[in-house]
Amino acid sequence: GAGVSQTPSNKVTEKGKYVELRCDPISGHTALYWYRQSLGQGPEFLIYFQGTGAADDSGLPNDRFFAVRPEGSVSTLKIQRTERGDSAVYLCASSGGGRPEAFFGQGTRLTVV
Amino acid sequence: AQKITQTQPGMFVQEKEAVTLDCTYDTSDQSYGLFWYKQPSSGEMIFLIYQGSYDEQNATEGRYSLNFQKARKSANLVISASQLGDSAMYFCAMREAGNMLTFGGGTRLMVKP
Repeated sequence: GAGVSQTPSNKVTEKGKYVELRCDPISGHTALYWYRQSLGQGPEFLIYFQGTGAADDSGLPNDRFFAVRPEGSVSTLKIQRTERGDSAVYLCASSGGGRPEAFFGQGTRLTVV
Repeated sequence: AQKITQTQPGMFVQEKEAVTLDCTYDTSDQSYGLFWYKQPSSGEMIFLIYQGSYDEQNATEGRYSLNFQKARKSANLVISASQLGDSAMYFCAMREAGNMLTFGGGTRLMVKP
């Protein structure tokens, strides 16, 4: 696609439930990033993929968070046993093609009630 | 220590005037990149400008320029001829060897007609 696509754009879930957030990067981009942005703050790094493997997952807050990118394109961020503190906008970005900048999707706004 | 510091939570500028948004950074890497992103109220993160640590010339992109002072570890964004559409959050970010972006807390710019 022309840009980074994230689905759903909004997700409301009950505390304790499991959620999956999807990211479809720009075609051909080998690097994919997940960030979390709380209201009024800058994005915080979660995990970075280079191809299919997680090159850096140091930003994942705990073991309830997991992400995969099985074929080196689409990625899914999975959150188990959601908590109200997980409410935020989850941003995905991709980069490649010899350019330094990362391109971001519109984000998924997750609300845990 | 914060890796990226943006000391101006909010800034006003008169339409058609220039404005400088401050950013200082902290790294021990010799090779790094500095980025500015714009985030309008719609939420998307829009790439504006990039400066590599080895670039001798300040980066420019249209009305945007980056005032890079390596010894002071500052990378200020200058927007010339401000427009109403420039009203948004602006984030400074840095990429070190780990490849992910680290963001500052942002500056909210408001352009007055």
